[in-house]
Amino acid sequence: QVTLRESGPALVKPTQTLTVTCTFSGFSLSTSKMCVNWIRQPPGKALEWLARIDWDDDTYYNTPLKTRLTISKDTSKNQVILSMTNMDPVDTATYYCASSSWYQPYEFDSWGQGTLVTVSS
Amino acid sequence: EILLTQSPGTLSLSPGERATLSCRASQSVSGNYLAWYQQTPGQAPRLLIYGASNRATGISDRFSGSGSGTDFTLTISRLEPEDFAVYHCQQYGSSPRYTFGQGTKLEIK
Repeated sequence: QVTLRESGPALVKPTQTLTVTCTFSGFSLSTSKMCVNWIRQPPGKALEWLARIDWDDDTYYNTPLKTRLTISKDTSKNQVILSMTNMDPVDTATYYCASSSWYQPYEFDSWGQGTLVTVSS
Repeated sequence: EILLTQSPGTLSLSPGERATLSCRASQSVSGNYLAWYQQTPGQAPRLLIYGASNRATGISDRFSGSGSGTDFTLTISRLEPEDFAVYHCQQYGSSPRYTFGQGTKLEIK
């Protein structure tokens, strides 16, 4: 059974860098051909895909946000980390991680519960 | 970038009725890589349908997806109380590129 859980700061200041961590179980990103994605949802708004990292270290980013995002993995800890620089109040959102199969990466099979990040001074 | 437009924004129905939700793409969705998710308040989205018409594991057969190209539909037959939620469509494009619709809220009438 795949489970994912996000963790990170509830509050960040404008211009700061956000780092959120996804800790997962039920698969290994070093041996299972899986992908982990980050997706966010501002309050009352639509979901927005941010980034993806694959078992083979390939990474993909949402083009408009690419210069601000870095996704990485720590396979020893079963974690995927997302960093987003230069945070702004419009980045206030619930940040989710979600897994997908590398063979069929077209949808998101399992999701974490999300972590709400508020950007405010 | 392919934009997804969901309609209606809000759908008010009673338990036992049939719900029809629409997702229209600004361009043809390649491979019919169109998925539907259900999201209840305070919860993460749950995958319902993938590949436009395939039910995800454990999803009731009251949920069905159809469509191709630019027009897709999620149908829920015989609404149950737990079905009242927000429904999102999502498409996969090359690069890769994933986009979501703005959601349809299904509320109890």
